Amino acid sequence: AQKITQTQPGMFVQEKEAVTLDCTYDTSDQSYGLFWYKQPSSGEMIFLIYQGSYDEQNATEGRYSLNFQKARKSANLVISASQLGDSAMYFCAMTALNNDMRFGAGTRLTVKP
Amino acid sequence: GAGVSQSPSNKVTEKGKDVELRCDPISGHTALYWYRQSLGQGLEFLIYFQGNSAPDKSGLPSDRFSAERTGGSVSTLTIQRTQQEDSAVYLCASSFQRLVSIRQGRGYTFGSGTRLTVV
Repeated sequence: AQKITQTQPGMFVQEKEAVTLDCTYDTSDQSYGLFWYKQPSSGEMIFLIYQGSYDEQNATEGRYSLNFQKARKSANLVISASQLGDSAMYFCAMTALNNDMRFGAGTRLTVKP
Repeated sequence: GAGVSQSPSNKVTEKGKDVELRCDPISGHTALYWYRQSLGQGLEFLIYFQGNSAPDKSGLPSDRFSAERTGGSVSTLTIQRTQQEDSAVYLCASSFQRLVSIRQGRGYTFGSGTRLTVV
C-alpha cells in the first residue's frame, strides 16, 4: 500500500524568500511517480511538478524544484522567490503501476507581504 | 474538450435524496478518477476507470456510492440516500493510461469539482 505524509499543516513565508514543503512516502513499488499539486482558494487542482523514481536528477519547473531523496523516501517541494499568488494548499501525491494517485493531507502555505 | 468538465458546480440536496454528479473527461484520456475532498482535508480516492476494464471501486465508502462510465467517456457518480457526512467537494480527473502517465510524468487533469451540500 502507498502512503503519503505531509507533516506541515501550515507554513508561512515572507514574500521573495524560498520555502520548502515536506513530503515523505512509503511504497513497495520500484517504479513510481511523485507529484505536487497546488490548490488555490478557487478549488482547482493545478499540477506543478513531477519526479520519476528512476530519475537521477531533481525535477525543476521554473520557481519550483523537487528535492528527491530516494533512500529517505522524501520528495520535498522547494518554491524559490515566493510570491503572494503562491498562497494556497499544496498536495504531494504518488502513483505507481498498480495503484492510483494517492494524496497527502496537504500543507497550507501563506506568503506574507 | 479542452479540460475536464464537471456538473453541476454546486448541489444542495436534502438528506435521503439521491444525487448524480457528472464528469466529462479530456478527449483521448482513457483513465478517469473520482476523488472526494472534505472541508480542509486532502483528497480521498473513490473510484478509477481505465478504458473498458472493470473499474477499481476500492475507495467507495459504502454501497450507497456507485459510478459508471458510458462509452469510455462521460462518467456519472451516484450517491443514494445522501447523508450529511457526504457533504464534500467531489473532484473528477482524467489522464492517459496510468503507465504512460508515470513514464511521461503527466499529472492528472482535474475538473473544478462539484460542491455537494446535504442539508
